[in-house]
Amino acid sequence: AQSVTQPDIHITVSEGASLELRCNYSYGATPYLFWYVQSPGQGLQLLLKYFSGDTLVQGIKGFEAEFKRSQSSFNLRKPSVHWSDAAEYFCAVVASSNTGKLIFGQGTTLQVKP
Amino acid sequence: ETGVTQTPRHLVMGMTNKKSLKCEQHLGHNAMYWYKQSAKKPLELMFVYSLEERVENNSVPSRFSPECPNSSHLFLHLHTLQPEDSALYLCASSQDRQGSSGTQYFGPGTRLLVL
Repeated sequence: AQSVTQPDIHITVSEGASLELRCNYSYGATPYLFWYVQSPGQGLQLLLKYFSGDTLVQGIKGFEAEFKRSQSSFNLRKPSVHWSDAAEYFCAVVASSNTGKLIFGQGTTLQVKP
Repeated sequence: ETGVTQTPRHLVMGMTNKKSLKCEQHLGHNAMYWYKQSAKKPLELMFVYSLEERVENNSVPSRFSPECPNSSHLFLHLHTLQPEDSALYLCASSQDRQGSSGTQYFGPGTRLLVL
């Protein structure tokens, strides 16, 4: 069965430092992968997505992610974190191309120290 | 209004009440989704509608009843809920269900508390 694992429940980084959030997936075919961000009390905002082609994808707010098939990973990165990046981040994979069903990881809470 | 909107944003109800959550998308999409987000658990898909037809019911109890009168509106009717149903209910929409067109865009959610 398809699954998504975000190994880090909580991460704290200093403002200006680089960031990498890990995501591992389990899927038989070529996956469709997403990263979403959720601020407190808000819905999910799409950061970026991977469907095919270039394995390094650029997103909004300076985020990027790299798809590595050999490692079944889709890690999210940002070279310099801003205080406004503090939020919860979710990795997701399409589990059914027929229904569009998404399976989400548990989420990683990012705290940014001044 | 732009994007996906949800009303109400907050709802408190007793276990014997009947209430409805409303979702409206202003994106011209054809598919709509209900998700449940509970504390300490991953987001769970509840229902998927495509062109007003339900295409997925993810083993959701019958006390949750969805309705999709047209491609822009989605409702979740609630009755005789349990305290464990307290959660954030998120609505999403996508152009279609497959490929890049299946990218889902989310509303702000309705925070539900069942007493």
